[in-house]
Amino acid sequence: GQQLNQSPQSMFIQEGEDVSMNCTSSSIFNTWLWYKQDPGEGPVLLIALYKAGELTSNGRLTAQFGITRKDSFLNISASIPSDVGIYFCAGHLVFGNEKLTFGTGTRLTIIP
Amino acid sequence: EAGVTQFPSHSVIEKGQTVTLRCDPISGHDNLYWYRRVMGKEIKFLLHFVKESKQDESGMPNNRFLAERTGGTYSTLKVQPAELEDSGVYFCASSQADRGEQYFGPGTRLTVT
Repeated sequence: GQQLNQSPQSMFIQEGEDVSMNCTSSSIFNTWLWYKQDPGEGPVLLIALYKAGELTSNGRLTAQFGITRKDSFLNISASIPSDVGIYFCAGHLVFGNEKLTFGTGTRLTIIP
Repeated sequence: EAGVTQFPSHSVIEKGQTVTLRCDPISGHDNLYWYRRVMGKEIKFLLHFVKESKQDESGMPNNRFLAERTGGTYSTLKVQPAELEDSGVYFCASSQADRGEQYFGPGTRLTVT
C-alpha cells in the first residue's frame, strides 16, 4: 500500500512566489530524494538527503530530512516559469535495499 | 556524459501481443532499475539488477513480465502477453555502486488496447 503521503497534490502560484511541499510517512526512511518531472521526460534528481536533520540547498531549492526520519520537505524560492512540473519525493525504506518508494507527486502550475 | 536512454519512447500494442522495452544505463553504473507509473498512481518499483544479476524482483507484477540484463550492460523488459492493465510509463534508472542517487531515463509509454 501507499507508504509516502505527498502534499499538496497540486499548487497554483504566481511567478516569484515561494513554494513548499512535503512528504510524510508512518515508516522510517534511510534516504530522501526529490525529483522533478517535465512532460514527456523522466524524473530528474534535484536533491539527495542522507542524514536525519540534514538541510541541503541546490540553487533556489532547499530540502530537509526530517529529524524523525519520517518526513521531508522541499522549498522553492522565487519561482520562475521553468519550475512548472511534477515534483516527487522518494526514499529508501530499508538500509541496503536500493528500491525507491515514491510519493504521488505535487503538480506545480505558475499562473501568468 | 550520456544519460539513461530508453527505447522505444512510445509503444501501442493490442492485448495479447508481446512488447520488449530496452534500457541503456549510464556507462559504468552497475545498478539498473525498472519502475512503472500507471495513470494517476505513484511510480512503483519493479526490479533491480546489480550487473547481470537480479538483486530484487519483488515488484514484478506477474510472470508475464521478464527482465534480462545479459552481460551487465543494457537491459530488456518483455511483457508477454500484454494485458490492458499493463498500460503506463515504464522508467529505467541506474546508479553507481553504493550510491543512493538513481538517474532516470525518459521512459517508455506503453498503451495496450
